[in-house]
Amino acid sequence: GQNIDQPTEMTATEGAIVQINCTYQTSGFNGLFWYQQHAGEAPTFLSYNVLDGLEEKGRFSSFLSRSKGYSYLLLKELQMKDSASYLCAVKDSNYQLIWGAGTKLIIKP
Amino acid sequence: IAGITQAPTSQILAAGRRMTLRCTQDMRHNAMYWYRQDLGLGLRLIHYSNTAGTTGKGEVPDGYSVSRANTDDFPLTLASAVPSQTSVYFCASSVEASDNSPLHFGNGTRLTVT
Repeated sequence: GQNIDQPTEMTATEGAIVQINCTYQTSGFNGLFWYQQHAGEAPTFLSYNVLDGLEEKGRFSSFLSRSKGYSYLLLKELQMKDSASYLCAVKDSNYQLIWGAGTKLIIKP
Repeated sequence: IAGITQAPTSQILAAGRRMTLRCTQDMRHNAMYWYRQDLGLGLRLIHYSNTAGTTGKGEVPDGYSVSRANTDDFPLTLASAVPSQTSVYFCASSVEASDNSPLHFGNGTRLTVT
């Protein structure tokens, strides 16, 4: 079956760096997405990786290793507003999105 | 403002009743999706539509139906609601189904079936 694994919850300190990991086993691969979802709100798009390597967007970066079935989202200079759930999703060979259950990130002052 | 609009925002529904959740987008996206989100589970695809006039079943289609008469609208109908359909429902769209365009989500409908 297809599966995406992420930690359920992580805690970090304001101003610090946190890395949220995602491992996947899917039928084919057509890209990996990261979304941010604040409590009670809709998910919003953060990043997309289809080739191996690091994609940087301001304080957020996303890394992909297709051979290892692995990605991470790196958040730098954490702010309180970064408290949210972070969802990893992979497009399989049929271009269907397979979603992880999400990682709830708690930022402490 | 361009985007996706869902209605209602929330609803309490008696079991056995019929309900249609509305979804409209004004971005001219070809692909549209209905997901449900339950605590501890990832987003689960109910139904999708790659283009107007076509629909397909997702991971959890039972008890739900959809239609896509035009590009903008993608309503989701619960024919006879059951308590297990209590969930948050998100409608989403993307430019195309088979490309790297991200999903845009509506604000969700929180449905409670009693």
